[in-house]
Amino acid sequence: GAGVSQSPSNKVTEKGKDVELRCDPISGHTALYWYRQSLGQGLEFLIYFQGNSAPDKSGLPSDRFSAERTGGSVSTLTIQRTQQEDSAVYLCASSLKGGNTYEQYFGPGTRLTVT
Amino acid sequence: GDSVTQMEGPVTLSEEAFLTINCTYTATGYPSLFWYVQYPGEGLQLLLKATKADDKGSNKGFEATYRKETTSFHLEKGSVQVSDSAVYFCALSGMKTSYDKVIFGPGTSLSVIP
Repeated sequence: GAGVSQSPSNKVTEKGKDVELRCDPISGHTALYWYRQSLGQGLEFLIYFQGNSAPDKSGLPSDRFSAERTGGSVSTLTIQRTQQEDSAVYLCASSLKGGNTYEQYFGPGTRLTVT
Repeated sequence: GDSVTQMEGPVTLSEEAFLTINCTYTATGYPSLFWYVQYPGEGLQLLLKATKADDKGSNKGFEATYRKETTSFHLEKGSVQVSDSAVYFCALSGMKTSYDKVIFGPGTSLSVIP
């Protein structure tokens, strides 16, 4: 079946602009995660959704970052007033439920470049 | 806090060589341990996992054993192929009961040459 999809695959934006990144999880997966992969920082957790709720936003690096999930499915990560240090690959993952017995499936990522 | 450390890369090996990528972790409780692989141009994929001490995860000829006494989860393969060239991430999760974010190591880039 279809895996996790993300769009766009690449995004180049000017410093100060807002961007929206989209994640379509695997159908039926209730848990959704956003991670960021950047040079020098490795892979870091950003936020977790269970259904439409986000019980853990601890990884969001600043208040310019926000995320929402609607209908227990699609999630959007929004970065306002982008900065060059936001340049990274943003990865989305979903799993059937939260909890370590459920494998997380990753999307291909969105490569964000802030110029 | 909880963390994962793995050997620095890049690692370059000849085809059919033996591979070891070291991974150690720091965590409270009893985390699950994972190896993820990222092939060039592709997304992260789960390679193998182990959920309790002394468990051995295996897949595609790769193996790793959960060693609680040494807090390690080293990845091994007896004979690497060119197609194994990728970035390998050691990771852990399982510190919370309701959900589990994955904490990743920095990744080790492997290049296998013919």
